[in-house]
Amino acid sequence: RKEVEQDPGPFNVPEGATVAFNCTYSNSASQSFFWYRQDCRKEPKLLMSVYSSGNEDGRFTAQLNRASQYISLLIRDSKLSDSATYLCVVPDSSYKLIFGSGTRLLVRP
Amino acid sequence: GAVVSQHPSWVICKSGTSVKIECRSLDFQATTMFWYRQFPKQSLMLMATSNEGSKATYEQGVEKDKFLINHASLTLSTLTVTSAHPEDSSFYICSAPRRGVTQYFGPGTRLLVL
Repeated sequence: RKEVEQDPGPFNVPEGATVAFNCTYSNSASQSFFWYRQDCRKEPKLLMSVYSSGNEDGRFTAQLNRASQYISLLIRDSKLSDSATYLCVVPDSSYKLIFGSGTRLLVRP
Repeated sequence: GAVVSQHPSWVICKSGTSVKIECRSLDFQATTMFWYRQFPKQSLMLMATSNEGSKATYEQGVEKDKFLINHASLTLSTLTVTSAHPEDSSFYICSAPRRGVTQYFGPGTRLLVL
């Protein structure tokens, strides 16, 4: 089993739609979790940090389920500019980042 | 604004030459930095952990003699791709942790070896 697993997508949704991505992790001792966004040919940029049960920032909501070892990212009212690859990231005990393979999102007009 | 910079942003070189990539933390000190490589349509793969004042730690399968890492100061780590070959063409990205676990990425260096 991979340490961090994501559905690769792509998710193709219309503007205004709500879309959710899931991510599962294998290390039950993990304490912090991150969602990064990566645009084509660019570096990943931090979108949200998740330390407790969840976090909300505008149209974006991240939820953590420790019992099932998964993190979700919900995007409401999708914009064209939300089109990107979303990376689920879980640091290990030495601060190395373990990346999921990424979920591609395409928001169409 | 950016918290980690990289230079150069892109480089084209001939096979057999060496290429140095710099990663700098801006306005903060980083005793540890990380180097990643990303091939098209793949996720980032950690190559090595750069440690200020000591040897880098390489991930399995990464040749330390080919990818030389130097972390000479608290704000600068360099990655040198020695005797580059076309298969080394990739997107190289560094990251540095700031305020604990949260890591910030440099803008990346796109390397093309002809």
